[in-house]
Amino acid sequence: QQQVKQSPQSLIVQKGGISIINCAYENTAFDYFPWYQQFPGKGPALLIAIRPDVSEKKEGRFTISFNKSAKQFSLHIMDSQPGDSATYFCAASRRGGADGLTFGKGTHLIIQP
Amino acid sequence: DTGVSQDPRHKITKRGQNVTFRCDPISEHNRLYWYRQTLGQGPEFLTYFQNEAQLEKSRLLSDRFSAERPKGSFSTLEIQRTEQGDSAMYLCASQQGTGTEAFFGQGTRLTVV
Repeated sequence: QQQVKQSPQSLIVQKGGISIINCAYENTAFDYFPWYQQFPGKGPALLIAIRPDVSEKKEGRFTISFNKSAKQFSLHIMDSQPGDSATYFCAASRRGGADGLTFGKGTHLIIQP
Repeated sequence: DTGVSQDPRHKITKRGQNVTFRCDPISEHNRLYWYRQTLGQGPEFLTYFQNEAQLEKSRLLSDRFSAERPKGSFSTLEIQRTEQGDSAMYLCASQQGTGTEAFFGQGTRLTVV
């Protein structure tokens, strides 16, 4: 059972455009929702994270939108740059976090100059 | 502190051999996680330590896998009698408390031939 579904699988955006990646979750016990960025040969690195008590969080060019009733959350990358080209993963964890993060399958983002 | 360190970065082994990986977490972090990531997929949780205690294991962690974290510092992950299906990137992450940023190492890429 895939508990976090991520789409699209791949995305091509022109430089300066907005990149949007969506995730949906099933487990209502999740209470922490981070987005990770991963470059080839590297481990994932945290971009931004949100808790379900807020509907939006913005850090620089990155924004998470969260819809608790729909059990969906999304990452928006404004003014996308070629350096943003990477694989992005949404994730979720339960309170206590003993069973770690549950990741989506990832979105391969390419920003064309 | 230089972050989470994993060793080796790459390991090629013959089927049936035993392999051991090491993870050095960020020194003040009491939580340590192991994940496995196959090509085109998000990381999957394997096991969790709080200090030296192994508190959670995924059903993905077969009897051939064992992990330790003596003295609550570094951790090792051993795979006995490796199989080709064990080929993957093995990631270690550390965290201080729950619901905080999990820092990932660069991973150990295992290839079983």
